[in-house]
Amino acid sequence: GEDVEQSLFLSVREGDSSVINCTYTDSSSTYLYWYKQEPGAGLQLLTYIFSNMDMKQDQRLTVLLNKKDKHLSLRIADTQTGDSAIYFCAERMNTGNQFYFGTGTSLTVIP
Amino acid sequence: GAVVSQHPSRVICKSGTSVKIECRSLDFQATTMFWYRQFPKKSLMLMATSNEGSKATYEQGVEKDKFLINHASLTLSTLTVTSAHPEDSSFYICSAVGTGSYEQYFGPGTRLTVT
Repeated sequence: GEDVEQSLFLSVREGDSSVINCTYTDSSSTYLYWYKQEPGAGLQLLTYIFSNMDMKQDQRLTVLLNKKDKHLSLRIADTQTGDSAIYFCAERMNTGNQFYFGTGTSLTVIP
Repeated sequence: GAVVSQHPSRVICKSGTSVKIECRSLDFQATTMFWYRQFPKKSLMLMATSNEGSKATYEQGVEKDKFLINHASLTLSTLTVTSAHPEDSSFYICSAVGTGSYEQYFGPGTRLTVT
């Protein structure tokens, strides 16, 4: 599989913005995704970005993609306690449709 | 929206037995399904890619004789863990991609515990 790295933990105060970062190694990905996983549950697709885009905004979520540096970030504005979860970035490969997931970032929102 | 189900959601089995996990796309046809394994507090590890009507493609290091995958129809893929051992205990998640789609829809996962 590909190397997709994320920092393991992030804590923010309720109402602040959260920024979760992801770096990847393969530049042939077509789409990059952010998923949310709550304890004991499956994955929920939050948003995605096509690899030729730099930014995508979707309500409280902003995705930034720096393809040159192979860096993807997810910004959550006005973070709420319900946003506490593990967030995974994933890249979809150009061939075969395989998805490779990052190591996951555990976000804790402090009331 | 697209829904993917998995059955069972939890299973406990004895060491040496085999367990079958089903993954179904409920309201769309999935030409490709994926099987992942997730260890506690770890990321998802892609195990195999399952294409309808053909043999699954396994990732490096995944034993195809141990993790049998069958994708007999456009809405159903099964993963059979053969001769299960305690180290096979894990959270198994499937996903499905519809024809011409760019989105991967995930099932809720199956918690396998081998005693």
